[in-house]
Amino acid sequence: SQKIEQNSEALNIQEGKTATLTCNYTNYSPAYLQWYRQDPGRGPVFLLLIRENEKEKRKERLKVTFDTTLKQSLFHITASQPADSATYLCALAPGGAGRRALTFGSGTRLQVQP
Amino acid sequence: EAGVAQSPRYKIIEKRQSVAFWCNPISGHATLYWYQQILGQGPKLLIQFQNNGVVDDSQLPKDRFSAERLKGVDSTLKIQPAKLEDSAVYLCASSSQRPETIQETQYFGPGTRLLVL
Repeated sequence: SQKIEQNSEALNIQEGKTATLTCNYTNYSPAYLQWYRQDPGRGPVFLLLIRENEKEKRKERLKVTFDTTLKQSLFHITASQPADSATYLCALAPGGAGRRALTFGSGTRLQVQP
Repeated sequence: EAGVAQSPRYKIIEKRQSVAFWCNPISGHATLYWYQQILGQGPKLLIQFQNNGVVDDSQLPKDRFSAERLKGVDSTLKIQPAKLEDSAVYLCASSSQRPETIQETQYFGPGTRLLVL
């Protein structure tokens, strides 16, 4: 069955360091992968999308890589700040028309210490 | 642009009771989703609408859950009767991409927190 794995343990880092979060998947051939941020008591907020034929995507302090051979995506936050503390979810979507819904991982909680 | 609106924000009911949630997507968004998020897990799709038609309801427990989007705008999700394991956050999301395109961004509402006692 399809499986998406994110590190369930919280990631604690010092302010200014680079945070790296991992998303691994099995039995899935996604057309694209997205990363979302979720704060307590709120819905997920879209951050970045990367397609299956793209290796890397950047947006300000964020960088996402996508390795379809390893079936893995890495999400980096450089120069991290306490305001980056949140849960980060990866989500995969199939290609083709019709069903568009995302399959989410369980998320990794990031805590940035000042 | 106003975001996705959901109500109520919180609901506490006893098992075997009924409950309904309401969602108003971003104006003009044709696609609407309902997700269930259990504490410590990622959101799980319950149902996807394209305008007022159902695209995917394969994970909707149809013996107790129902959803409708009659006019292709707002939507309601109902649970009848509720079970203890239905305690979760129910998230509504919408997107504007047409089904024939590949990429999309989903915009989520704040969710409705349901506690079944």
